[in-house]
Amino acid sequence: DQQVKQNSPSLSVQEGRISILNCDYTNSMFDYFLWYKKYPAEGPTFLISISSIKDKNEDGRFTVFLNKSAKHLSLHIVPSQPGDSAVYFCAASAPYSSASKIIFGSGTRLSIRP
Amino acid sequence: DAGVTQSPTHLIKTRGQQVTLRCSPKSGHDTVSWYQQALGQGPQFIFQYYEEEERQRGNFPDRFSGHQFPNYSSELNVNALLLGDSALYLCASSLGAGATQETQYFGPGTRLLVL
Repeated sequence: DQQVKQNSPSLSVQEGRISILNCDYTNSMFDYFLWYKKYPAEGPTFLISISSIKDKNEDGRFTVFLNKSAKHLSLHIVPSQPGDSAVYFCAASAPYSSASKIIFGSGTRLSIRP
Repeated sequence: DAGVTQSPTHLIKTRGQQVTLRCSPKSGHDTVSWYQQALGQGPQFIFQYYEEEERQRGNFPDRFSGHQFPNYSSELNVNALLLGDSALYLCASSLGAGATQETQYFGPGTRLLVL
């Protein structure tokens, strides 16, 4: 039972344009959401997070939007750069659970083309 | 400042064998968590070690066990290997068992292939 779903395995975006990565979740108890970025041969690195009390969080070129009623979140990258090419994982956690016990989606491979 | 290191980087085993993977946490970190990332999937939490004890465990069978040493490094042991154990095994470290997700650092992983 996949509680966190990333339905697009891959996405190709032209450099300078907006990249939008989507994530859906099924567990209404989730109250904290994160995005990670993973390059080949490296571990995932934390990118941006959002608490369920907010609907938007912005950090430079990265913005995460949360729609609790739809159980949907998205990551926007504007403008997209070649270095953004990586696999992006959406993750979620429930209240009072260990910080380590987060549930990851299956990832979306983002390719930025020149 | 060395980040999280894992050894070996790659490993090939046969069904029924046992394997030990190793992790050294980032300097200053005392908590280690292990994840399994199967091909095409996201990482799945296996367990967390803090103060040399298993503190949290995910939905993995007892064939998966671990250990944390006084220097905070950790081992992941898998017994009676199955083909389905083939995956990338990630180690992550943090300061304190209650650390936030943002302050957890991942290593590059050990890729295990079971034949």
